[in-house]
Amino acid sequence: QQQVKQSPQSLIVQKGGISIINCAYENTAFDYFPWYQQFPGKGPALLIAIRPDVSEKKEGRFTISFNKSAKQFSLHIMDSQPGDSATYFCAARYGSSNTGKLIFGQGTTLQVKP
Amino acid sequence: DTAVSQTPKYLVTQMGNDKSIKCEQNLGHDTMYWYKQDSKKFLKIMFSYNNKELIINETVPNRFSPKSPDKAHLNLHINSLELGDSAVYFCASSLQGVSTEAFFGQGTRLTVV
Repeated sequence: QQQVKQSPQSLIVQKGGISIINCAYENTAFDYFPWYQQFPGKGPALLIAIRPDVSEKKEGRFTISFNKSAKQFSLHIMDSQPGDSATYFCAARYGSSNTGKLIFGQGTTLQVKP
Repeated sequence: DTAVSQTPKYLVTQMGNDKSIKCEQNLGHDTMYWYKQDSKKFLKIMFSYNNKELIINETVPNRFSPKSPDKAHLNLHINSLELGDSAVYFCASSLQGVSTEAFFGQGTRLTVV
């Protein structure tokens, strides 16, 4: 119940295309959903985050769509660029703000071809 | 200035040895973490400290012992290293708890031979 299932495991997109990564969860106690981006040899970095009272959040080319009833959320990368090639992790918070923890999805390796 | 720095970046050691990984953050954050990333890139929380107090201790073997001498430092000591401990270990910090942005260090790639 504390799992977050992420798909696809890997994704290849042409430059200028739309990259879509999906995540699903079971535990309705999750209440904060960030996405992290990780480049090879680096630590993950926060990309964008959403709370379940909002159905969509957009920051530049990155959009999170959130479907509370379906317990699914997704990351859309518009006009994908080669520089977006990285591993993307969805996550969900379980527990209180101070004592809770982030449960990460399995990661999606995105390759954007020039 | 690196926000979250951890040393060493690479660590190769033999089974049975004891090793430490150091982490420092200069962001003034209250919360610090250790995460383990396995060979399939799966990230899992190991420990969380808030103001030097242990908050989260996942089902991690007793051979792993975190120590927080002050709010800016969280070190990880590992006793009797095993082959299965090989992974990338990330230190991270956040202003206050997991709902604030977590800043990760560059990771320590531990290889046990």
